[in-house]
Amino acid sequence: SAVISQKPSRDICQRGTSLTIQCQVDSQVTMMFWYRQQPGQSLTLIATANQGSEATYESGFVIDKFPISRPNLTFSTLTVSNMSPEDSSIYLCSVDYRGRALRTDTQYFGPGTRLTVL
Amino acid sequence: DAKTTQPPSMDCAEGRAANLPCNHSTISGNEYVYWYRQIHSQGPQYIIHGLKNNETNEMASLIITEDRKSSTLILPHATLRDTAVYYCIVRVPISNFGNEKLTFGTGTRLTIIP
Repeated sequence: SAVISQKPSRDICQRGTSLTIQCQVDSQVTMMFWYRQQPGQSLTLIATANQGSEATYESGFVIDKFPISRPNLTFSTLTVSNMSPEDSSIYLCSVDYRGRALRTDTQYFGPGTRLTVL
Repeated sequence: DAKTTQPPSMDCAEGRAANLPCNHSTISGNEYVYWYRQIHSQGPQYIIHGLKNNETNEMASLIITEDRKSSTLILPHATLRDTAVYYCIVRVPISNFGNEKLTFGTGTRLTIIP
C-alpha cells in the first residue's frame, strides 16, 4: 500500500488566519484527494487534485477558501483560508494507488490533520 | 451515485465472527464495493473490495450477493481492536482517466464486547 504522511498532525489557530496542510506520499500517484471530517460526521470530499492541472472542487467548496497545490506526483498542499470556528475539522488527504496484488486502484488515506479554530 | 445503506451500530462478542451488512440496490455493473474502517479519529483504513465474486484477504472476507444488490463484510475472529466505524462504499467513476471518487455514508459503528 501507499504510505501517506501529513503535516501538521494538529493545530490550534485563530479566527481569520490561514493554515497550509502538507501531504506527502512514498510513491508517485496521479490523483490525490482532500477530505474534511467535521466533528461527529462522516468524510466529505473537498477536491480532487491531479498533477499538472487545476484541482476539481466538489459542490460547496471553492478555490478561494481551500486553495490546493500539486507541484509533483508525491506532494500536495491544502490551505484553509480566513478560518472561522466552523472550519474546525479533521482534514485528510488520500491517494489512488494500485499495488501489485490489486486489480484496481485503491484509495489510501493519510492520518489526518486535526484543526481547531478559536 | 449508487447509495449504500448500513445499520448505524452493531455489537459483537470478542472472538466471534462479526458480520456487517450493506445494501447497494442501485449499483451499476462496473462499480466495485469497497469497505473501509475508521478507528477513532484516525484516517480510514482500506479493508477489502470486490466486484461480483467473494473476496478474502488477511483482514476480512467480502460476500457479494449474486444480484450484487447487497454485501456482507465478515471479520472472522473479532478482537477489541476491531472496534471502529465501518464504511461500505460503492466506487463511482469521475473522469475518463478511470480514477474514481469515494462517497462516504454514515457507516456502521461496530463495538466488540469483551
